[in-house]
Amino acid sequence: GAGVSQSPRYKVAKRGQDVALRCDPISGHVSLFWYQQALGQGPEFLTYFQNEAQLDKSGLPSDRFFAERPEGSVSTLKIQRTQQEDSAVYLCASSLGVGAGGNETQYFGPGTRLLVL
Amino acid sequence: DQQVKQNSPSLSVQEGRISILNCDYTNSMFDYFLWYKKYPAEGPTFLISISSIKDKNEDGRFTVFLNKSAKHLSLHIVPSQPGDSAVYFCAALGGGSNYKLTFGKGTLLTVNP
Repeated sequence: GAGVSQSPRYKVAKRGQDVALRCDPISGHVSLFWYQQALGQGPEFLTYFQNEAQLDKSGLPSDRFFAERPEGSVSTLKIQRTQQEDSAVYLCASSLGVGAGGNETQYFGPGTRLLVL
Repeated sequence: DQQVKQNSPSLSVQEGRISILNCDYTNSMFDYFLWYKKYPAEGPTFLISISSIKDKNEDGRFTVFLNKSAKHLSLHIVPSQPGDSAVYFCAALGGGSNYKLTFGKGTLLTVNP
């Protein structure tokens, strides 16, 4: 079975450019998460979807960041007017049910490495 | 402030010996802990977890120990194999959220043949 996939794997953007990062979760997974991993750091939570509902966006660093999951499957993370500090790996994860403890393991995709020049 | 700390950026061990990776946390509301393993250019992969009601969980070569009073957990790998070479992240759940993972910075483990 396919795991979580993300595209593009690498993205170079000029400062001020808008970017869109795509996540295809494991089929049937209810929960979807976005994390940001800066160089030398651990992943940091950005936002959480349960089906199409965005239940938590407390980790989004600014209003330039926007995420959606309109049909409860594929998700897109959009960053407007990119800045150099946005350079990071953006990880998407999905889990079968709600939460991440017990059997609700979060399965991560390979990430999109974004470099803003 | 870092709520989950992995103070050793790297660890090198010999094949066949024990690897011990350490993790400390500051938030006493955390009630579930996980270890993830990450190879270069791949996403983190779940390895093992432990609930705060336990002090030990074992899965094959991997054992996680939790010391709640010290707010400390450790991952033991024995025997270590070259394929275990990866970055290991400690993560925690709780403190009002049952889905938001809080990660440490990771420890790079190198197992030498």
